[in-house]
Amino acid sequence: DIQMTQSPSTLSASVGDRVTITCRASQTFRGWLAWYQHKPGKAPQLLMHDTSRLERGVPSRFSGSASGTEFTLTISSLQPEDSATYYCQHYTFSSGTFGQGTKVEV
Amino acid sequence: EVRLVQSGPEVKMPGESLKISCTASGYEFAKYWLGWVRHMPGKGLEWVGLIYPGDSEVRYNPSFEGLVTMSADRSINTAYLQLSGLRASDSAMYYCASSVGSTTCLNNWGQGTLLTVSS
Repeated sequence: DIQMTQSPSTLSASVGDRVTITCRASQTFRGWLAWYQHKPGKAPQLLMHDTSRLERGVPSRFSGSASGTEFTLTISSLQPEDSATYYCQHYTFSSGTFGQGTKVEV
Repeated sequence: EVRLVQSGPEVKMPGESLKISCTASGYEFAKYWLGWVRHMPGKGLEWVGLIYPGDSEVRYNPSFEGLVTMSADRSINTAYLQLSGLRASDSAMYYCASSVGSTTCLNNWGQGTLLTVSS
């Protein structure tokens, strides 16, 4: 199975900052990478799938990209409501490995 | 509107069994994979597995195989996660989530079911 290594585990940034979260896969694969936002007391929310396809209603300050085995979530201008834990997930029809999570403090 | 409504919080004794339900509405339940995710206190999300309600085909995370059983009843648009021989380490929030679309990313989530296992 493909393993996903996410970094950093925590990050603290200010309103308006550009932040980047990275997931590195143990093997190359095409596209099936999702990012979720999880706030305390709430269910996780899908932000984007297929590496960079934003879900309806997700602010455009969120974006995703990939280079080789490295997948990146970028928040272009951090907002107070972005405080949450973010997870990457490699999904297939037989697996759904999550990264370890990145706690973002604003 | 897609909705997933899970059964309420549970407190169980070690060794007991539990079946969490997840009732779907707003989409064709039988046509899309539905997943289960565990969130233990202070830990990350863990993918438990997937079930295709149309034919009850299941795919388990090897780490959970033998520990949980996924099932579905298409007649009432409900999926289930059964846990047997509960231990304190099973205490967690369990989420169901549907993948309405052509892949298996989880785009609609239930509210979660909190399980506490304690003697």
